[in-house]
Amino acid sequence: KQEVTQIPAALSVPEGENLVLNCSFTDSAIYNLQWFRQDPGKGLTSLLLIQSSQREQTSGRLNASLDKSSGRSTLYIAASQPGDSATYLCAVEGGSEKLVFGKGMKLTVNP
Amino acid sequence: GAGVSQSPSNKVTEKGKDVELRCDPISGHTALYWYRQSLGQGLEFLIYFQGNSAPDKSGLPSDRFSAERTGGSVSTLTIQRTQQEDSAVYLCASRSQSSYNEQFFGPGTRLTVL
Repeated sequence: KQEVTQIPAALSVPEGENLVLNCSFTDSAIYNLQWFRQDPGKGLTSLLLIQSSQREQTSGRLNASLDKSSGRSTLYIAASQPGDSATYLCAVEGGSEKLVFGKGMKLTVNP
Repeated sequence: GAGVSQSPSNKVTEKGKDVELRCDPISGHTALYWYRQSLGQGLEFLIYFQGNSAPDKSGLPSDRFSAERTGGSVSTLTIQRTQQEDSAVYLCASRSQSSYNEQFFGPGTRLTVL
């Protein structure tokens, strides 16, 4: 059974720092990995999707990498801003179409 | 274009009542997913539709839960005889056919069972 872990559960940083968010998964047989952002009381916003054949994806200040063999992904946020404050979720998809989620990491960026 | 929409946004009901939650996927998306987000359990898969059929219902927690999809579009998740442990945010997602594409999520329905 696939399990996804995100550590730490929460992080508080001053504005401007470069951040690395970690995600690990137990079964390397995945189709893709997706990073989401969730604001309080809202749904999920897709940030980046990395297909199993890819090593990384970039969007603006965000860069996500994938190492399937070691069961790890990282989300890099450059020059963090208060508007980046949210919960970040990592999810993997195996052969069953469904996403398996980590419990998320709550990020607070202080001005 | 329009994203995934869900209604109602909030639903408060009494224990034992039935509720229906609705999901309108992005137009043209053939796959539709229901997930549940609760404080203790995080985000959990409930059921997946490809067109109008549900190849995977493995996440439905009990036979009180059912879902249908009609016309390859709108889906309804029904919870019968609601219990307090059903209180959660129910999220719907859709995507185009390929397994390599992103799932796009709606804003969710917050269900509170008193």
